[in-house]
Amino acid sequence: DAGVIQSPRHEVTEMGQEVTLRCKPISGHDYLFWYRQTMMRGLELLIYFNNNVPIDDSGMPEDRFSAKMPNASFSTLKIQPSEPRDSAVYFCASSQQGSGEAFFGQGTRLTVV
Amino acid sequence: GQQLNQSPQSMFIQEGEDVSMNCTSSSIFNTWLWYKQDPGEGPVLLIALYKAGELTSNGRLTAQFGITRKDSFLNISASIPSDVGIYFCAGRNSNTGKLIFGQGTTLQVKP
Repeated sequence: DAGVIQSPRHEVTEMGQEVTLRCKPISGHDYLFWYRQTMMRGLELLIYFNNNVPIDDSGMPEDRFSAKMPNASFSTLKIQPSEPRDSAVYFCASSQQGSGEAFFGQGTRLTVV
Repeated sequence: GQQLNQSPQSMFIQEGEDVSMNCTSSSIFNTWLWYKQDPGEGPVLLIALYKAGELTSNGRLTAQFGITRKDSFLNISASIPSDVGIYFCAGRNSNTGKLIFGQGTTLQVKP
């Protein structure tokens, strides 16, 4: 398997624009996690899904953030409208039911100017 | 919410020295994981622990799952320059599937 695939790797956008980050989990994995990494706050869990259903979105910072998982092989994290303070690296990770191990994608570095 | 307290925050050591870092929580976890992150990359899994008291090694790395299930530590023996990076602990609750991370330990190794 190619591992967790995220796109794009880098995104630069202007404040107020909509941003969509994409993730393809490892085939057969039932859990999908979205994290945000900043120097100040480290790796924050934003939301996670089990079998395509959102289980806990308490980490989503504001209503401007939304995430979907329409099927087992694809998830999106959307920010609308984006703000400079959203600049961070966003990671997607997936894991298999019954196993604690989670595997990460390479991340999307988002810069909002 | 749940929090993992990881220490130390950073370490600067001489090549060949041993390193120890730990993670504590107010909550019980069923799984403890240790990751390493290199610049510009995602965290990579080093060691997974599934049972209280478990001691697991991966080359020069050794990690233990605390008896109380509220803590874990990672040791690196005979450090080398490529050990440089950020090390994260993570705790997972198997009932909910939730996986949260510590703040990370930045390791620098002087040749």
